[in-house]
Amino acid sequence: EIVMTQSPATLSVSPGERATLSCRASQSVSSNLAWYQQKPGQAPRLLIYGASTRATGIPARFSGSGSGTEFTLTISSLQSEDFAVYYCQQYNNWWTFGQGTKVEIK
Amino acid sequence: QVTLKESGPVLVKPTETLTLTCTVSGFSLSNARMGVSWIRQPPGKALEWLAHIFSNDEKSYSTSLKSRLTISKDTSKSQVVLTMTNMDPVDTATYYCARIPRGWYYFDYWGQGTLVTVSS
Repeated sequence: EIVMTQSPATLSVSPGERATLSCRASQSVSSNLAWYQQKPGQAPRLLIYGASTRATGIPARFSGSGSGTEFTLTISSLQSEDFAVYYCQQYNNWWTFGQGTKVEIK
Repeated sequence: QVTLKESGPVLVKPTETLTLTCTVSGFSLSNARMGVSWIRQPPGKALEWLAHIFSNDEKSYSTSLKSRLTISKDTSKSQVVLTMTNMDPVDTATYYCARIPRGWYYFDYWGQGTLVTVSS
C-alpha cells in the first residue's frame, strides 16, 4: 500500500498570505495525485487532479505541482473561505489519502 | 447534474452487518470506464478508502478490510451497495460514496455522507 504523508499537520496563515502544503508518497505515483478541500460538516471537494490541473470552477489562486513522490499545493493569497482541511490522494495504485493539513487563521 | 446520496442506518450494534446504499443520478453506472467508491472518515480523522466498483463490475477492496467488505451495484436502480460485516465501535464514521469520471481515477463528485455510529 502506498502511504501518503502530509506536512505540516497544521498551518497558521493570515488572510492574504501564501500557503504551501506538502505531500510525500512512499513510492512513485507519477502524476496520479489529487488534492481535496474539506470544510467542517461537508464532503471533500476536488481541487486539483493530475498533480497540477485545477478542477472545474476552482480559482486560479490554487495551484499544484510535483511528480513522483513529492507534491505541493499552493494557495497564493488566502481568502476567508480557504480555511479548511486539505487532503492529498494518490490514485496510481488504487487509492490512499494523506492525513490532512489544517489551514487555520493566524 | 451529477449527484450521489448515501443512505442506511445511523446506529448499528457491535457484531452486526452494516448495509449502505449509494443512489446516483446524472450518470449511469454502466457508463464505460466509470466507477463508484466508498470512503469513510472517523470523527476528527482522515479519509480512508474502502471499496470500489467499476462499470464492468470489476471490484477492488482495501487490503486491511477486504475480509469484511462486499460491494455491488444495481444499474437499473442506479445504486451501489456496500456491506461491512462484524461492525465494531472503531467503525464509527461518516461514510461517503464518490464517483470517478470516465478514464480517470480521482473522485470528482461526492455524496454528502452518512454518519454511522456503532454502539450497543
